[in-house]
Amino acid sequence: AQSVTQLDSHVSVSEGTPVLLRCNYSSSYSPSLFWYVQHPNKGLQLLLKYTSAATLVKGINGFEAEFKKSETSFHLTKPSAHMSDAAEYFCVVKEGSNYQLIWGAGTKLIIKP
Amino acid sequence: SAVISQKPSRDICQRGTSLTIQCQVDSQVTMMFWYRQQPGQSLTLIATANQGSEATYESGFVIDKFPISRPNLTFSTLTVSNMSPEDSSIYLCSVGEYNEQFFGPGTRLTVL
Repeated sequence: AQSVTQLDSHVSVSEGTPVLLRCNYSSSYSPSLFWYVQHPNKGLQLLLKYTSAATLVKGINGFEAEFKKSETSFHLTKPSAHMSDAAEYFCVVKEGSNYQLIWGAGTKLIIKP
Repeated sequence: SAVISQKPSRDICQRGTSLTIQCQVDSQVTMMFWYRQQPGQSLTLIATANQGSEATYESGFVIDKFPISRPNLTFSTLTVSNMSPEDSSIYLCSVGEYNEQFFGPGTRLTVL
């Protein structure tokens, strides 16, 4: 069965420092993995996705994530945090052609000035 | 990518009443989904709505409480019936395209 674990419910970083949001998954088949961002009072936006091509995936707003099969991880990183990055981030897994998305609990990213 | 709109964007309702949420897509799509996001929580799939067939509900959700219509390939509605304060959530519709889902802005429902 598929599952997603976001290891931190809250992450707090200073503006200009690196961001690391951790995600581990379990999947019986070749998964597709996604990171979505939800800004306060706004809709969900796809940051990036992994679909069995390159293991290092670049997304919007300077974010990237690396698919590591041996570690069953898909951590989200950004070299330098910006105040506008403050939001809730969700790691999501999908198996094969199955339409159903399995959502992590979310990580709230807090940016300190 | 699909552009999705929802109406209303928010509402405050009295317990025991019902609210119908509309979801409009700017292109024809086969699969539409309805999610619930309770305060401070992640998303939970309520049901999948395919045009021309009955909606498929996930465990814990029933048609009497959350009736869904899907009259054509660009539109769907979700009704939250006989509401209670526990129904206070954000309700989101999404559409499935190849290996990706796009989300509407959500409807923020508060039940008093």
